[in-house]
Amino acid sequence: TQLLEQSPQFLSIQEGENLTVYCNSSSVFSSLQWYRQEPGEGPVLLVTVVTGGEVKKLKRLTFQFGDARKDSSLHITAAQPGDTGLYLCAGALRSSYKLIFGSGTRLLVRP
Amino acid sequence: EAEVAQSPRYKITEKSQAVAFWCDPISGHATLYWYRQILGQGPELLVQFQDESVVDDSQLPKDRFSAERLKGVDSTLKIQPAELGDSAMYLCASSLSGANVLTFGAGSRLTVL
Repeated sequence: TQLLEQSPQFLSIQEGENLTVYCNSSSVFSSLQWYRQEPGEGPVLLVTVVTGGEVKKLKRLTFQFGDARKDSSLHITAAQPGDTGLYLCAGALRSSYKLIFGSGTRLLVRP
Repeated sequence: EAEVAQSPRYKITEKSQAVAFWCDPISGHATLYWYRQILGQGPELLVQFQDESVVDDSQLPKDRFSAERLKGVDSTLKIQPAELGDSAMYLCASSLSGANVLTFGAGSRLTVL
């Protein structure tokens, strides 16, 4: 059973469209991170959210941490082909030091 | 910019052979992680070191996998004997002690034939 469920698993959209991907769990996290991974490379950290309800913006990307710290979302405005990649959420459990990864959302932005 | 170095980038081996991966973390990062990422899935933690000590190896298949970080700097992950199901990307990451902000290397892709 996956502790962190990401949806959708795969998303193919046209350049300029908006999209939201979700990361859900029944567990409470002390913090949650979003990474982007390109084929053949390691994940690269995009953002860390710590406080319930926190919203962070990184250019066209908006990240939100749920009030109960069990879920998170990533919204991309006006997607570009350079946004193509695997988006991974990772949560740090309150009860341990472990960082647990979701299964990822694979995004393809078509020109 | 500081990077986590991993080698080899690619390794093809036959089942029952031994294989080893090397990782050099960012200087000053006391915590080192080995993750395994099967195609289409998220990374799974295999082992976590704090300096030279193992703090978590609960998901490491200890009958065939071993990991060491003898001097608390670089680390080696070994598989012997390799099995078909070991085909995956092996990712190394490091962080400052007590921090959850990980910097990943580019990974070592293993194919077992």
